[in-house]
Amino acid sequence: NAGVMQNPRHLVRRRGQEARLRCSPMKGHSHVYWYRQLPEEGLKFMVYLQKENIIDESGMPKERFSAEFPKEGPSILRIQQVVRGDSAAYFCASSPARKNTEAFFGQGTRLTVV
Amino acid sequence: KQEVTQIPAALSVPEGENLVLNCSFTDSAIYNLQWFRQDPGKGLTSLLLIQSSQREQTSGRLNASLDKSSGRSTLYIAASQPGDSATYLCAPGGSNYKLTFGKGTLLTVNP
Repeated sequence: NAGVMQNPRHLVRRRGQEARLRCSPMKGHSHVYWYRQLPEEGLKFMVYLQKENIIDESGMPKERFSAEFPKEGPSILRIQQVVRGDSAAYFCASSPARKNTEAFFGQGTRLTVV
Repeated sequence: KQEVTQIPAALSVPEGENLVLNCSFTDSAIYNLQWFRQDPGKGLTSLLLIQSSQREQTSGRLNASLDKSSGRSTLYIAASQPGDSATYLCAPGGSNYKLTFGKGTLLTVNP
């Protein structure tokens, strides 16, 4: 059973470009969470999704950021018109469709905006 | 709003020493609490999960305790090894089971 898979591991974008980060949850997991780790800061919750539904996006910036988890395929975190302040490590976590279960994290995507 | 504090921010110990990492959180309405380790440039590895109804969990040389009412958790590492060197993160799980992270304790175990 493969773990949570994120790709790419490293992504470099120029200011104004779009960044697409992908996350494939563990097999059998239908809950996906995205977190962001800015330099010298702790991980911050961004969004919680189940298949085809956004459950909680209270941590998402209001502009330029969006997330989806389609019926088929990986979850996508999309950042439009990236700025230098978007440079960070973005982590995805997944858990089964049960309460109080352990969250498993991927290796993260390190986004650098130049 | 949940806030998590981890003390100390950094800790350096000789190999073989037993040690305790501390975590405090402001909102006791949690469903569970997870401890993770993060190696430089890597993802998070889950170490222990404690449900809100539990007092402690053990895995090998690790033991985590939870005092939900006082908003505290500790991670005890017995007989530390150089391979234990990493950043340790505490994360209580709140509404929608989303995790709130502290800034972590950077542990260095010297051979």
